[in-house]
Amino acid sequence: GAGVSQSPSNKVTEKGKDVELRCDPISGHTALYWYRQSLGQGLEFLIYFQGNSAPDKSGLPSDRFSAERTGGSVSTLTIQRTQQEDSAVYLCASSLVFLAAYEQYFGPGTRLTVT
Amino acid sequence: DAKTTQPNSMESNEEEPVHLPCNHSTISGTDYIHWYRQLPSQGPEYVIHGLTSNVNNRMASLAIAEDRKSSTLILHRATLRDAAVYYCISMIQGAQKLVFGQGTRLTINP
Repeated sequence: GAGVSQSPSNKVTEKGKDVELRCDPISGHTALYWYRQSLGQGLEFLIYFQGNSAPDKSGLPSDRFSAERTGGSVSTLTIQRTQQEDSAVYLCASSLVFLAAYEQYFGPGTRLTVT
Repeated sequence: DAKTTQPNSMESNEEEPVHLPCNHSTISGTDYIHWYRQLPSQGPEYVIHGLTSNVNNRMASLAIAEDRKSSTLILHRATLRDAAVYYCISMIQGAQKLVFGQGTRLTINP
């Protein structure tokens, strides 16, 4: 079946603009996760959704970052007033449920470049 | 959070077994141990996970110490395609944060 998809694959934006990143999880997966990976760095957890609910938003780097999920499926990560330090690959993953016993499937990522 | 510690890098030869260690000394009894790997320019890929018993799948084996303070990912016959960064993650049941360390960069020599 289809895996996790993300769009766009690449996004170049000017500092100060808003961007919206999209994630389509695997059908039937109730848990969805957002991470980011800066150049040469490991993965940084941002937020997770169980259904449409994101119980803990403390992993988001600043209040310029927000995320939502609708219909228990598609999720969008929005970054307002982008800064150069926001440049990174943003990865989305999904799993059947948010339980430690289940593996996560990652999408290919969106490479964001803020100029 | 249960912190994991891995060597920064390891090197092995093609068709030889590879043992990738991970320390997770603060792990609690209900935390799962997951391994993911990231090939160059790709998103992470699930490898294997376990709780207490050793686990095998088509990709690898996971050996978990009896006290659960460490584990070892075993690639039985490494290929060039196994060259990647391998992440050991302690998945905390009931918490909402997944903690990735820096991982181990595995180099496979032909």
